[in-house]
Amino acid sequence: EVQLVESGGALVQPGGSLRVSCAASGFTFSSYWMNWVRQAPGKGLEWVANIKEDGSEKYYVDSVKGRFTISRDNAKNSLFLQMNSLRAEDTAVYYCARRNTGLDYWGQGTPVTVSS
Amino acid sequence: SYELTQPPSVSVSPGQTARITCSGDALPKKYAYWYQQKSGQAPVLVIYEDNKRPSGIPERFSGSSSGTMATLTISGAQVEDEADYYCYSTDSSGYHFVFGTGTIVTVL
Repeated sequence: EVQLVESGGALVQPGGSLRVSCAASGFTFSSYWMNWVRQAPGKGLEWVANIKEDGSEKYYVDSVKGRFTISRDNAKNSLFLQMNSLRAEDTAVYYCARRNTGLDYWGQGTPVTVSS
Repeated sequence: SYELTQPPSVSVSPGQTARITCSGDALPKKYAYWYQQKSGQAPVLVIYEDNKRPSGIPERFSGSSSGTMATLTISGAQVEDEADYYCYSTDSSGYHFVFGTGTIVTVL
């Protein structure tokens, strides 16, 4: 059974940093592009970033470029999102999702709150 | 930046047909995907590559695309289909993805 479990969400002050993680199981992690998607409270879904199977290509939404870094450890079946210079508008539930034919499997999300 | 536009809400009675549109300039050349999100839950893929249905998704869900508009159709909508629905696609580069603005579907 495919499972994606996010962790690491927390309350952080503006300007701070946080790393969220996604543990994958039930499939060959190294064979899939992986994505981060976020949802601010009461708002719609926003695609944040994705990373190629071997980590050689990474793409970001404009609003996080230069502040967020997506990475993966295929040996540990794990996906990461390093978030620096956090702003109030980064407050959201962060989901990891596998890309196959569309984003076919999602985790349950981890909440990140940026507030003083 | 690239945008996908959806109507804010659609309301139908049980058994009627709900249609949700998604408008985007790159849709003539890029696939559309559709997600259902119920309150407090992660999104679920209901249509991929314009008109294909994943296993386990009821046949009443169908998709189509023509020109700059993609459409999700729920034929014979059920009360359990009440949810937010989002289209999803990529810009002309193929590397940057975007979700539509979202549509609240009410069945009552």
